[in-house]
Amino acid sequence: GAVVSQHPSWVICKSGTSVKIECRSLDFQATTMFWYRQFPKQSLMLMATSNEGSKATYEQGVEKDKFLINHASLTLSTLTVTSAHPEDSSFYICSARATGTGSNTGELFFGEGSRLTVL
Amino acid sequence: AQSVSQHNHHVILSEAASLELGCNYSYGGTVNLFWYVQYPGQHLQLLLKYFSGDPLVKGIKGFEAEFIKSKFSFNLRKPSVQWSDTAEYFCAVNPYTGFQKLVFGTGTRLLVSP
Repeated sequence: GAVVSQHPSWVICKSGTSVKIECRSLDFQATTMFWYRQFPKQSLMLMATSNEGSKATYEQGVEKDKFLINHASLTLSTLTVTSAHPEDSSFYICSARATGTGSNTGELFFGEGSRLTVL
Repeated sequence: AQSVSQHNHHVILSEAASLELGCNYSYGGTVNLFWYVQYPGQHLQLLLKYFSGDPLVKGIKGFEAEFIKSKFSFNLRKPSVQWSDTAEYFCAVNPYTGFQKLVFGTGTRLLVSP
């Protein structure tokens, strides 16, 4: 199957700093990528939909100024957690949908996830 | 609120036992349904999916799931589990036809003892 890679897989930062997480589709082009957040023992919650060349669409309750998303190319989307605080500590997962796939397949390919710990 | 429910949070089975993991959703109308698996240390992988047609869907590694519209359910089954099936299993629903947004259940952690 298609490969989606996230970097870094683990990051620790001080409160108040910003952290950037990259999501790359390695062997396919992705016009749409999705960012999820997973709290311990809870489900994946969709944060935002990232569209190549346009602004991301954020889910209700997600602060767009806090979680900056950039999808500058067909293979890369970035999530920047700005002025991170301990409550932002979480597991962030991206997924991507390949172009050329039929519009009704809905299959997504997931990255390995990035664990953020804010001290 | 509309949601996806997985009632079993932890399941422990012996090898060769049969498995059934429950998934219920509360969305009306047309839905696309998925089961994903996350093996220890690995990323989410698609096990199987249902869009239309035969409500009994067969996926990889001997898994299958049955869509019962009247019960809003999409339970995952495997007749005989193996130790390598130890993983976390997520049910997901795409509540809009042709739309990619997925809503995930809370996951079920399966441990298969040899």
